[in-house]
Amino acid sequence: TQLLEQSPQFLSIQEGENLTVYCNSSSVFSSLQWYRQEPGEGPVLLVTVVTGGEVKKLKRLTFQFGDARKDSSLHITAAQPGDTGLYLCAGLPYGGSQGNLIFGKGTKLSVKP
Amino acid sequence: NAGVTQTPKFQVLKTGQSMTLQCAQDMNHEYMSWYRQDPGMGLRLIHYSVGAGITDQGEVPNGYNVSRSTTEDFPLRLLSAAPSQTSVYFCASSYSGGTSYEQYFGPGTRLTVT
Repeated sequence: TQLLEQSPQFLSIQEGENLTVYCNSSSVFSSLQWYRQEPGEGPVLLVTVVTGGEVKKLKRLTFQFGDARKDSSLHITAAQPGDTGLYLCAGLPYGGSQGNLIFGKGTKLSVKP
Repeated sequence: NAGVTQTPKFQVLKTGQSMTLQCAQDMNHEYMSWYRQDPGMGLRLIHYSVGAGITDQGEVPNGYNVSRSTTEDFPLRLLSAAPSQTSVYFCASSYSGGTSYEQYFGPGTRLTVT
């Protein structure tokens, strides 16, 4: 069974701090997605990474796909209260389709003003 | 575009009752899915569809039925509700022309079975 492990599970920080969350697996993925979910709402796609070693930036968020395509990280610079939410990674195994998308259990981030 | 819509937003059922969770999308996406989200368990796939008339089981299909008569709609039926089906249910759709299957989620239905 392919698994995506996210760490940490919970993270509580002050506004202005930097943080990194991780998404790790022993399996190789053809692509990896990051979502953010706010309370009472559905997850919203932030970014997709498809190339080993790829780095993508979305304002203060930096996403990296591992060289071996088994892991990914999300770094937030100068976190703000608006960054609060559940961050989910989802990986697509090679040759997989929609039914094979694997979600991690998420990192719950709380940014206090 | 409304994106993915789900009704109802909240529902309380008694054990043994049946109901249908509605899902619709206006993005002309071929792929649609149903997930349930439970604390500590993440998102788990219940059923998915690759197009009208075609459905398949996901990780946790027992107790649920689906059908896909149109591209836009993908209802989820609970045949005989059980307390173990208390959860938040999300419908999602994705574009069939790409290879990453990026999901567009609805706002969710919070279901409680007593």
